[in-house]
Amino acid sequence: AQSVTQLGSHVSVSEGALVLLRCNYSSSVPPYLFWYVQYPNQGLQLLLKYTTGATLVKGINGFEAEFKKSETSFHLTKPSAHMSDAAEYFCAVRGPGSSNTGKLIFGQGTTLQVKP
Amino acid sequence: DVKVTQSSRYLVKRTGEKVFLECVQDMDHENMFWYRQDPGLGLRLIYFSYDVKMKEKGDIPEGYSVSREKKERFSLILESASTNQTSMYLCASTGRSNEKLFFGSGTQLSVL
Repeated sequence: AQSVTQLGSHVSVSEGALVLLRCNYSSSVPPYLFWYVQYPNQGLQLLLKYTTGATLVKGINGFEAEFKKSETSFHLTKPSAHMSDAAEYFCAVRGPGSSNTGKLIFGQGTTLQVKP
Repeated sequence: DVKVTQSSRYLVKRTGEKVFLECVQDMDHENMFWYRQDPGLGLRLIYFSYDVKMKEKGDIPEGYSVSREKKERFSLILESASTNQTSMYLCASTGRSNEKLFFGSGTQLSVL
């Protein structure tokens, strides 16, 4: 079965510091991987996705993630945190047999706090 | 702007009540989903639908049912609400390319 594990339910960084949110997955098939962000009182928005091809994926708001098959990881990074980045971040993998339905399996979420 | 609209932002119900959560999308998407979001557990799939009148159970369907009579509308039904169904409920949809889920803003349901 496919699963996603996000290491660290809360991450706190100072404004301007590097953001690193960790995600590991398990999948019996080549995975499609996603990062979503949820700002307070809002639904989730897609930050970036990996399907095939280049393993370094760039997303919105300066975020990027690298697919590392050997490590079964898809960590999210941003070189310099902004106050507006404070939110909850979810890593997700497309579920088995879901090529036609888009069903996703989500990790537990990581809350990013940005301190001034 | 594409939209997934959930009918209520906050809902308070009593134990044993029948509860309907409504979701409408305006993107002509085939696939629609209901997730519940709980702290420390992330999002867990309750049910999804890949076509009108078609539905499949997700990971935690117990205590829930769904209805999809029209393509744009997907309803989640709690036949007899219980306190352990207090949660944030998120509706989402995606089209045939299914490379991006569009989410509603969520319904925070409290069952007292």
